[in-house]
Amino acid sequence: QVQLVQSGAEVKKPGSSVKVSCKASGGTFSSYAISWVRQAPGQGLEWMGGISPIYGTANYAQKFQGRVTITADESTSTAYMELSSLRSDDMAVYYCARSVGQQLFSYFDYWGQGTLVTVSS
Amino acid sequence: QSVLTQPPSASGTPGQRVSISCSGGSSNIGSNTLNWFQQLPGTAPKLLIYSNNQRPSGVPDRFSGSRSGTSASLAISGLQSEDEADYYCAAWDDSLHGWVFGGGTKLTVL
Repeated sequence: QVQLVQSGAEVKKPGSSVKVSCKASGGTFSSYAISWVRQAPGQGLEWMGGISPIYGTANYAQKFQGRVTITADESTSTAYMELSSLRSDDMAVYYCARSVGQQLFSYFDYWGQGTLVTVSS
Repeated sequence: QSVLTQPPSASGTPGQRVSISCSGGSSNIGSNTLNWFQQLPGTAPKLLIYSNNQRPSGVPDRFSGSRSGTSASLAISGLQSEDEADYYCAAWDDSLHGWVFGGGTKLTVL
């Protein structure tokens, strides 16, 4: 069955960067786009951006442009999200989500378990 | 401020039917299909309804979705205690070139 397994919780200092991984199994990695969605404590879901492995290009939400980098490694079926210049309001649970097709605009059928990123001095 | 608008809360008693609305615009709900996710406490979101009114395998037919113009709604009939969760609507936005979500609706089963 399809599984998206994310890396573990992180504690980071303000101004630093964090890189979260999302390893996919149970499907052909290059056949599906991967998005990253975050959820601040007690808040709703927010799309950060995504990548279509078969095209190798990433799209980012305007809010995160210049601060987020999303990549994918087909050899290990793993997607990555790196967020830089961390601030206290970046503290959130970060999820990866698989699109049902190769295009980012295809709906999400599977989600990772989430990775808590804490930003604290 | 979320691009899609949902009521922050909804409630019902066991067996009742409840409905959750989601309002958007021409660049999102008006031109792309709408999806609903259920998020149980402390867990990742789960796909509940896709393409406006389609249920993935395993989702009970108590859950149904509809879309009209730039609005959509999720209906839950025969409400059960395990339906207590947060519900989010989501759609692709052609103007923003990305996914937009509603702010979420917390459903309480009284």
